[in-house]
Amino acid sequence: AQSVTQLDSQVPVFEEAPVELRCNYSSSVSVYLFWYVQYPNQGLQLLLKYLSGSTLVKGINGFEAEFNKSQTSFHLRKPSVHISDTAEYFCAVSDRSSASKIIFGSGTRLSIRP
Amino acid sequence: DAGVTQSPTHLIKTRGQQVTLRCSPKSGHDTVSWYQQALGQGPQFIFQYYEEEERQRGNFPDRFSGHQFPNYSSELNVNALLLGDSALYLCASSFRGTGLSHEQYFGPGTRLTVT
Repeated sequence: AQSVTQLDSQVPVFEEAPVELRCNYSSSVSVYLFWYVQYPNQGLQLLLKYLSGSTLVKGINGFEAEFNKSQTSFHLRKPSVHISDTAEYFCAVSDRSSASKIIFGSGTRLSIRP
Repeated sequence: DAGVTQSPTHLIKTRGQQVTLRCSPKSGHDTVSWYQQALGQGPQFIFQYYEEEERQRGNFPDRFSGHQFPNYSSELNVNALLLGDSALYLCASSFRGTGLSHEQYFGPGTRLTVT
């Protein structure tokens, strides 16, 4: 079984400041890792994914994440945030062998202050 | 190219009633998964349909059932509604072939309120 822990429920940050959203996972098998974003009253949009290869993954909207196998972490970063980045961010995993269901964390609300 | 579509957008039901939610997958996709997202929480996997059969199921009671049609669209049915079933229901589609089944595309969701 897999589980995902997002360590911060809310992260306030000033516009143009850097941000890091933390994610740790637990799994007895190899997994794929994802970050999704959910804007108010909308569905989920894939930001980036780690399947294999380079541990630094670049996604849309200037976001990137680094897979750390020894620490079982997959933290999301952006060097300079914009007001439009205000949203809920979800870290997620899925089992490589079946790649069917996705297990989500509880989410981190990113609020950008002008 | 239309993405994943869901209907209706919102609906309000009374405890004990039954509800049916609908999902049309992204063009070219053959697999549909359903998730429940309660307020302030992450989505939870309900079940997945492929080739018109339920392939995997999460920890949800039998009141939750589904169906997939030959055109790959899907329905989620919930019987004997409880107040706790109030949530955003998300549909996600993917293509099982060529190792791309991990790429799930989500619809905008259906907001169900049970009173």
